[in-house]
Amino acid sequence: QKEVEQDPGPLSVPEGAIVSLNCTYSNSAFQYFMWYRQYSRKGPELLMYTYSSGNKEDGRFTAQVDKSSKYISLFIRDSQPSDSATYLCAMSAMNRDDKIIFGKGTRLHILP
Amino acid sequence: GAGVSQTPSNKVTEKGKYVELRCDPISGHTALYWYRQSLGQGPEFLIYFQGTGAADDSGLPNDRFFAVRPEGSVSTLKIQRTERGDSAVYLCASSLVSASGARADTQYFGPGTRLTVL
Repeated sequence: QKEVEQDPGPLSVPEGAIVSLNCTYSNSAFQYFMWYRQYSRKGPELLMYTYSSGNKEDGRFTAQVDKSSKYISLFIRDSQPSDSATYLCAMSAMNRDDKIIFGKGTRLHILP
Repeated sequence: GAGVSQTPSNKVTEKGKYVELRCDPISGHTALYWYRQSLGQGPEFLIYFQGTGAADDSGLPNDRFFAVRPEGSVSTLKIQRTERGDSAVYLCASSLVSASGARADTQYFGPGTRLTVL
């Protein structure tokens, strides 16, 4: 079992819909959870990060972490065609020597 | 301000050749990372520099891969005797490092170098 599991999609939704992206993980030491957005032929760009469990909201984006279920989510409200990209979840144990582990990424298409 | 830059953007080489990939991090960022991203996969860690020294090279797949950062700024990833399986996008990222030294601080990625080994 990989440390971080993420459905690669593709996921196609109509413009204006709410999008739900998810990852599961196996390492209970993970405490720092991130979502990156990656456009085609570009490097990943950090969207949001959260420490431990709970919710965090930033504009149309909401990140949720449920450590008891080892499950994290990213919600996008009022989705726009410009949101079409690959979304990568990533996590780390936050110790000095701990690497960031990325999921495979979910390809998202917002249909106009 | 300027972000992380990587050159070349594309590199096509023949099996067995030597390649160098360059990363120019954000000015003032002491931490620099190399990742490899294969098609349909997330970035996989290769090596981490704190200043001039390689603090963690545990992700380098074998001894054909080597990286340097001689002056604590620009870094070069070097691949000897390239193989077709080395074909991937090589990403560089840089960050400031917090007082705790945690490597999960925000990493800023460059656009990557797409390496194709024929």
